[in-house]
Amino acid sequence: NAGVTQTPKFRVLKTGQSMTLLCAQDMNHEYMYWYRQDPGMGLRLIHYSVGEGTTAKGEVPDGYNVSRLKKQNFLLGLESAAPSQTSVYFCASSYSIASTQYFGPGTRLTVL
Amino acid sequence: AQKITQTQPGMFVQEKEAVTLDCTYDTSDQSYGLFWYKQPSSGEMIFLIYQGSYDEQNATEGRYSLNFQKARKSANLVISASQLGDSAMYFCAMREGYTGANSKLTFGKGITLSVRP
Repeated sequence: NAGVTQTPKFRVLKTGQSMTLLCAQDMNHEYMYWYRQDPGMGLRLIHYSVGEGTTAKGEVPDGYNVSRLKKQNFLLGLESAAPSQTSVYFCASSYSIASTQYFGPGTRLTVL
Repeated sequence: AQKITQTQPGMFVQEKEAVTLDCTYDTSDQSYGLFWYKQPSSGEMIFLIYQGSYDEQNATEGRYSLNFQKARKSANLVISASQLGDSAMYFCAMREGYTGANSKLTFGKGITLSVRP
């Protein structure tokens, strides 16, 4: 069991470029989440999904889009990267609403 | 108002001693869950312990225990017999309610713990 994996681990983008972060989980979890972590702050929710084919906005959704075409994958897209999106991005998944969220190792993104 | 408050800027503890990391929360929901995660310098988020709002007993997981005081809205993490590997950032988080929109976690800003040999 790999748990929750994220690719890539590191990425540097120029302002205006686009990219997609991939999150995959092999635990058959229904719920998946994308968070960002900025220095001196806890994690903030970007988008989440309560099942295959569904997505919803979290606390800081602007500038991001997501898709959940397969139950095991949750993609986070940046269409036109901005320096304010420099952050560490974490994906998480949980079996149900009430169960523990398990996190991936994170992706460190720098936008120049 | 902040939903999760962690005010200790940094904590130091001697190896093998116990340490308490403070967390207070704010919610009007009756059903909620409280979590503690550890983030070592390598960056991953590691789940430590969970307390449900209806749980009558304090949660324990090995050397971790959660001192849950519902009336005070506090959920402090107690680490017994500290080890050097416990040096990390610790985050308190809360899930409010049981609907899809509320399944997200709200995190505090974290507390840095340093264990001295």
